Amino acid sequence: DAGITQSPRYKITETGRQVTLMCHQTWSHSYMFWYRQDLGHGLRLIYYSAAADITDKGEVPDGYVVSRSKTENFPLTLESATRSQTSVYFCASTPGLGSNQPQHFGDGTRLSIL
Amino acid sequence: QQPVQSPQAVILREGEDAVINCSSSKALYSVHWYRQKHGEAPVFLMILLKGGEQKGHDKISASFNEKKQQSSLYLTASQLSYSGTYFCGTGAMYSGGGADGLTFGKGTHLIIQP
Repeated sequence: DAGITQSPRYKITETGRQVTLMCHQTWSHSYMFWYRQDLGHGLRLIYYSAAADITDKGEVPDGYVVSRSKTENFPLTLESATRSQTSVYFCASTPGLGSNQPQHFGDGTRLSIL
Repeated sequence: QQPVQSPQAVILREGEDAVINCSSSKALYSVHWYRQKHGEAPVFLMILLKGGEQKGHDKISASFNEKKQQSSLYLTASQLSYSGTYFCGTGAMYSGGGADGLTFGKGTHLIIQP
C-alpha cells in the first residue's frame, strides 16, 4: 500500500552509539521532514529536504545527520547518541512546494537512549 | 518562533462546543491543524492560507485572521472521537510561498467525556 513508513518503531540504544532511523514514502513526494516530539515542546523540526540531494537544517539539527540519495528515502542518523535525544521521531512528506500542502506523517519511532 | 496555543487543555461533555486558538508573533503564510491521538501519528485536518478564509468539514471548522496572525479551530457538538491533542502548525511568509517545514505549537489536549 502507498504511504509513509518508519522503521524501527521502537529502539533502545546506549549513549555514544550511532543509530539510524529510516523513513520511506511511496508517493514520490518532493518534500520530506524529520520532527522530534517531546513532552512540553510539541513537534520540532530537525531537518527537511526539498528533493534528492537537497537538505537543510530545521530548528534543532545539532547531533543529527540526514541524507537523501533517493526521493523515497530520508534516513536520520544520530552519530553519537545522547540521553537528550530520547524522543519520539516523526517523518513526514508533502507533495509540493512548502507550507500550503498538508503533511503526511509516518507512525513514528520511539527512541530511548540509556 | 513557536506559535502559542490556548487553552493548553480542555475537558468537555459530549455535544458541547470547543474553540482552540493559535497565535503567532510573525507574519504567516499558512496555518495547518492536526489531531493526534495517544501513541499515534498526527493526522491532517485542514490548511488555511492567508486571506482570512474559513474552512470546515463535518463539525470541525477553522478561521485564519491574517492581520492578527491568529487561527481558531472550532469543534461543534463534540463527539467522543474528537478526543486527542490538537496542534497548529504555521508556515512563515516567504517569497514564493515557503519551502521549509512547519513550526508547531505545543498542542491543546482535548478530552471529551460521555
